[in-house]
Amino acid sequence: EVQLVQSGAEVKKPGESLKISCKGSGYSFSKSWIAWVRQMPGKGLEWMGIIYPGDSDTRYSPSFQGQVTISADKSISTAYLQWSSLKASDTAVYYCAREAGHSDSDAFDLWGQGTLVAASS
Amino acid sequence: SSELTQDPAVSVALGQTVRITCQGDSLRIYYASWYQQKPGQAPVLVIYGKNNRPSGIPDRFSGSNSGNTASLTITGAQAEDEADYYCHSRDSSGNRVGVFGSGTKVTV
Repeated sequence: EVQLVQSGAEVKKPGESLKISCKGSGYSFSKSWIAWVRQMPGKGLEWMGIIYPGDSDTRYSPSFQGQVTISADKSISTAYLQWSSLKASDTAVYYCAREAGHSDSDAFDLWGQGTLVAASS
Repeated sequence: SSELTQDPAVSVALGQTVRITCQGDSLRIYYASWYQQKPGQAPVLVIYGKNNRPSGIPDRFSGSNSGNTASLTITGAQAEDEADYYCHSRDSSGNRVGVFGSGTKVTV
């Protein structure tokens, strides 16, 4: 089955570090871009950044540049999103999504189930 | 501009037609894709490219484009179409950075 499976919910304190994961299966993981998308409580989708696991080429939204780090390990078909020091405002659901690779669109055709990150003192 | 603007909410009677729009400078260059999101669920792709539907998406969903505006039309809306809808495209920076619209709540 083609799927992206994300790591489980996390409850952390502000200032702590965190790394969440997104494991792909059923397709050639290294050959599709993987994006991370934030959804704060009751709010819309925000494009954070994207990585090509084949060569780890990574791009960030200006809003998230320097705030998070996106990485991937193609040997285990897994992408990561990490924080060095969480803030309360990082509380959100984070989705990973696969770019379909259509010639005329950057559409995301496959999504993970989402990881809830809660940062509270 | 890297923003995509959507109306916050629209309503449609059962079986009628509704059009959701998405405006942004980057849409003059790139096609939008559209996603449906129901409460507590991950988004689902419903339209991509010029006007393409992924497998499994009903043909009552269609897309169109004109100038700086992309549109998603639901022809014959069903109760199960009630959801949030987001457009998405690349921004106009040329750096392969994406952006989502602000989202439209569709009430049937």
